[in-house]
Amino acid sequence: LAKTTQPISMDSYEGQEVNITCSHNNIATNDYITWYQQFPSQGPRFIIQGYKTKVTNEVASLFIPADRKSSTLSLPRVSLSDTAVYYCLVVPGSSASKIIFGSGTRLSIRP
Amino acid sequence: GAVVSQHPSWVICKSGTSVKIECRSLDFQATTMFWYRQFPKQSLMLMATSNEGSKATYEQGVEKDKFLINHASLTLSTLTVTSAHPEDSSFYICSASYPQGLGNTIYFGEGSWLTVV
Repeated sequence: LAKTTQPISMDSYEGQEVNITCSHNNIATNDYITWYQQFPSQGPRFIIQGYKTKVTNEVASLFIPADRKSSTLSLPRVSLSDTAVYYCLVVPGSSASKIIFGSGTRLSIRP
Repeated sequence: GAVVSQHPSWVICKSGTSVKIECRSLDFQATTMFWYRQFPKQSLMLMATSNEGSKATYEQGVEKDKFLINHASLTLSTLTVTSAHPEDSSFYICSASYPQGLGNTIYFGEGSWLTVV
């Protein structure tokens, strides 16, 4: 099981770009990197998933270097509603493989 | 995207009683589902892996006789907290794996708050 390490917390201001980095040194060949957002009293919500290089969707970008041992979630122009906990997960290729959560990053956005 | 739904969203029960939480994959079949537990301001802790048609696999330290898991169909897994006690009060979350391309995407339910009084 690939272990992930993220900063415990980050602060930023509305309108800024926020980059959250995650390390996953023992990622396996068939593993994907997925980021989730969680608000209090809700289940984690899928943000973005990638295997390598760069992936972009309507809410975020995900940067993965060639060695895949780290990844960076980029949130453009954050707003107060982006205040949440963000989890980086390494998802195995097998649907039966369990996934262990790291600590996540508690992002606080200020006006 | 794929949807995973939990029911109930919150439940209050008396000590000593049992309570069941359902987890459904709404538009896909899930041979494997996972149950997590989360305490306030902490990360999700994996409790068990629910396998359709076979016994669940529990993580170390999780009592299988207390947290009964049944995965009777490809779209439904249930978690029953038996003889509940106040220390079982927590936020319970399920997840299911949705195959996409060469990999899988994990989708989570909305979570279920259990309060034991």
